[in-house]
Amino acid sequence: GEDVEQSLFLSVREGDSSVINCTYTDSSSTYLYWYKQEPGAGLQLLTYIFSNMDMKQDQRLTVLLNKKDKHLSLRIADTQTGDSAIYFCAEAYNQGGKLIFGQGTELSVKP
Amino acid sequence: DTEVTQTPKHLVMGMTNKKSLKCEQHMGHRAMYWYKQKAKKPPELMFVYSYEKLSINESVPSRFSPECPNSSLLNLHLHALQPEDSALYLCASSRGEGNEQFFGPGTRLTVL
Repeated sequence: GEDVEQSLFLSVREGDSSVINCTYTDSSSTYLYWYKQEPGAGLQLLTYIFSNMDMKQDQRLTVLLNKKDKHLSLRIADTQTGDSAIYFCAEAYNQGGKLIFGQGTELSVKP
Repeated sequence: DTEVTQTPKHLVMGMTNKKSLKCEQHMGHRAMYWYKQKAKKPPELMFVYSYEKLSINESVPSRFSPECPNSSLLNLHLHALQPEDSALYLCASSRGEGNEQFFGPGTRLTVL
């Protein structure tokens, strides 16, 4: 069945780069997403990548997609304390409305 | 207006109560979603509405009853809930089913 996996925790120093990794199983996924969730809040769509792309850059965010290995990563440059949150990757199952989420990576940024 | 709004923000109810959660968007999106999220876990899809018709029901117990009165509104009617139903309930919308989803801030539900 469909499955998305992420490591649970990542701790970095302010100003460093953060790299959050994700693996997925549904090779028919057309879009892959990154969401950010701060404590007590809803999910904020950070960025997404179409499956025929290898890379997408948006200001401090860089998404890399290795479709052969079904591996997705999110790099945050110059990480700030405001970036502390849980980051979920998600794939659109069978190209439809059902999103399959990873378990979420809790990013802790230390001053 | 580029956001999804949800009311109430917090809700405490007893197991015999009937209550409703409301979700609204004015982005012209034609797909709307309900998710349930437990603490430190990913959201779990409950229902999808596409063009005001129920498209996906993820085998949700009948004590949860969705309603889509028009293209901007989505309700979730609650009746005879259990304490294990306590969670954050998230609404989302998208241009169409399969497009990127935008989430509301959620309703924190506590069932006593």
